[in-house]
Amino acid sequence: LVLTQSPGTLSLSPGERVTLSCRASQSVSNNFLAWYQQKPGQAPRLIMYGASSRATGIPDRFSGSGSGTDFTLTISRLEPEDFAVYFCQQYDSSRPNTSPPTFGGGTKVEIK
Amino acid sequence: DVQLVESGGGLIQPGGSLRLSCAASGFTFDTYEMNWVRQAPGKGLEWVSHISRTGNFIYYADSVKGRFTVSRDNAKNSLVLQLNSLRAEDTAVYYCAKSSFDWLFLFDHWGQGTPVIVSS
Repeated sequence: LVLTQSPGTLSLSPGERVTLSCRASQSVSNNFLAWYQQKPGQAPRLIMYGASSRATGIPDRFSGSGSGTDFTLTISRLEPEDFAVYFCQQYDSSRPNTSPPTFGGGTKVEIK
Repeated sequence: DVQLVESGGGLIQPGGSLRLSCAASGFTFDTYEMNWVRQAPGKGLEWVSHISRTGNFIYYADSVKGRFTVSRDNAKNSLVLQLNSLRAEDTAVYYCAKSSFDWLFLFDHWGQGTPVIVSS
């Protein structure tokens, strides 16, 4: 299952709204779709799972939506600490040997 | 707080071997499945391996199958990845990642990573 993220880079200003896209090559089972945030030199951080459930401690300016093959992550109002790379990931474990977990290529949200 | 601390990375020649370790704390280690995920320089994330709570179920990415071996020592709260027959394309930061309680491949905590550089 291939995940394609677009765009590759977004240049935005603090306070703006941003929508990131993640498209799957086939339907993601049970919406097992997660989003991670990664800042330079840091490990990824889980921010969203089940397509629309925020992980512990994630502010409500982050929201997720979608189903099937099309998913989005929206940040309603960019804060300075939100500038980072965002990865989507499918985590269906029903067939771990033939369909392992996969990540999208990432979208970089940079300061304009 | 959950803490995952990787070690063992370094510069290694092609064909060589390396042993990565992950020391876990802040949670009941033997209750959770564990994983290794890697990230090549300037690239995206690639899942590498998964091990169940008792080590009975183990999965590998096709790219490392037959060369890498994952294991765990629940008495020592430790996760290990043995890397053999290393190739240039194995160059990456290797992260230890804890599975969430409900989903094997949802990674709710990550270590800071240990770099592996395969070069002559």
